[in-house]
Amino acid sequence: DAKTTQPPSMDCAEGRAANLPCNHSTISGNEYVYWYRQIHSQGPQYIIHGLKNNETNEMASLIITEDRKSSTLILPHATLRDTAVYYCIVRVLIAGNNRKLIWGLGTSLAVNP
Amino acid sequence: EPEVTQTPSHQVTQMGQEVILRCVPISNHLYFYWYRQILGQKVEFLVSFYNNEISEKSEIFDDQFSVERPDGSNFTLKIRSTKLEDSAMYFCASGGQLYGYTFGSGTRLTVV
Repeated sequence: DAKTTQPPSMDCAEGRAANLPCNHSTISGNEYVYWYRQIHSQGPQYIIHGLKNNETNEMASLIITEDRKSSTLILPHATLRDTAVYYCIVRVLIAGNNRKLIWGLGTSLAVNP
Repeated sequence: EPEVTQTPSHQVTQMGQEVILRCVPISNHLYFYWYRQILGQKVEFLVSFYNNEISEKSEIFDDQFSVERPDGSNFTLKIRSTKLEDSAMYFCASGGQLYGYTFGSGTRLTVV
């Protein structure tokens, strides 16, 4: 069962910031939030992940609320190539001190010229 | 940048046949996974593999499925007797606990 909920679709103008929200109200204290994106049916591409602090890398920023029940992925200057399905994912602990990713249905982001 | 390589990119097989999907994970990764995505649906966890054994498997991963790491570099998913509902994209991923998981480009399996 998915642990995240996202809007099914969003639009963004090219060059503007894209802010993609995610709710994960049942997340546990040691579970990370991951973001991936998928263009057409290609392999999912890692974007960013975090636990409770805000994170930034060359692709995006991740803002996690203090109660960790929601987060926002920010693409600061969206381009047409950022059109994809964006998945907010919770990484849960499984046997053998291993982890697995629990996927939701994602947000289909359309970047418009 | 290191990649996870999957072969073949597309496999068509007849119902009841065995298929083997192959993956070459990133060399210094220790955790390996198979996920699948039926067309238009979400990505689903199948199995995780660490230290030469299965860590966890989903309810999808029944007795028809098996995984192997035969030679220390390859990681394979075998479906013994394929069914129509096994048609999907199968993604291999490798990674660890403290960094992102890298996915391959997938194998599109079509069972006819």
